[in-house]
Amino acid sequence: ETGVTQSPTHLIKTRGQQVTLRCSSQSGHNTVSWYQQALGQGPQFIFQYYREEENGRGNFPPRFSGLQFPNYSSELNVTALERDDSALYLCASSQLAGRIDTQYFGPGTRLTVL
Amino acid sequence: QQPVQSPQAVILREGEDAVINCSSSKALYSVHWYRQKHGEAPVFLMILLKGGEQKGHEKISASFNEKKQQSSLYLTASQLSYSGTYFCGTDSNQGGKLIFGQGTELSVKP
Repeated sequence: ETGVTQSPTHLIKTRGQQVTLRCSSQSGHNTVSWYQQALGQGPQFIFQYYREEENGRGNFPPRFSGLQFPNYSSELNVTALERDDSALYLCASSQLAGRIDTQYFGPGTRLTVL
Repeated sequence: QQPVQSPQAVILREGEDAVINCSSSKALYSVHWYRQKHGEAPVFLMILLKGGEQKGHEKISASFNEKKQQSSLYLTASQLSYSGTYFCGTDSNQGGKLIFGQGTELSVKP
C-alpha cells in the first residue's frame, strides 16, 4: 500500500462525454503526476502538478486538463472523449518537484470509452 | 524519447537469475524501476541517480552506466513473486517527469 488513492476504480463513458478522475496523494507529498497506460504499454506522462500549479506536460491535447487542491489532492479532466482514451489512468505522488524523488503510484482508474 | 527495454519477455524457473536492460538516447539524471502485476499499479523497486546513488529494494540490484545512458536490473534467485512486467522510467531533466519503456514481461515458473 502506497497511501495513494484514486477514484473511481472503473468508469465507462461514451464518445464525446467528459470525465473527471480523482487522486489523493500520500501524506506529506506535494507533487502529483498523471500517467495514461494503454493495454500492453508503459505509462505515458500526461502532466505534473506541484503546489497547485502545472509543472510540466507531456504530449497530450488541451482536452486533458488538471487541478491540484490546497491539500495536494488532484483531478484529471478529459473532455470530448475518444475511443483511444480508453486506458488505465494512474496518478503518482512524490515529495518535491524539481528534484529526483520516488513516485508512488495509486491503483489507477480504468476508463472505457464506447 | 522512450527508452528501449530488453528483452521484451523472459521465462525463468524458480532460483534462476535474470537481467533486464534499459537504454536511452538522451542524457539521464535518474532511472526508476517498477514492477507491475496484471491489473495492479506499478510498484517502486529502485531508483538510480546520476553520480551513483541508489535507493530501493534490498533483494534487487541495479546498475546505471551514465556514459552509455543504460541501466540494468538484476534479479537473482528468482521467486514466483517476481513475476510481472518490469518498467524502467527515465528522467532527463531532473523534474520527475518519467518516460517509461515498453516493459519486460517476466514469468517465473515453479
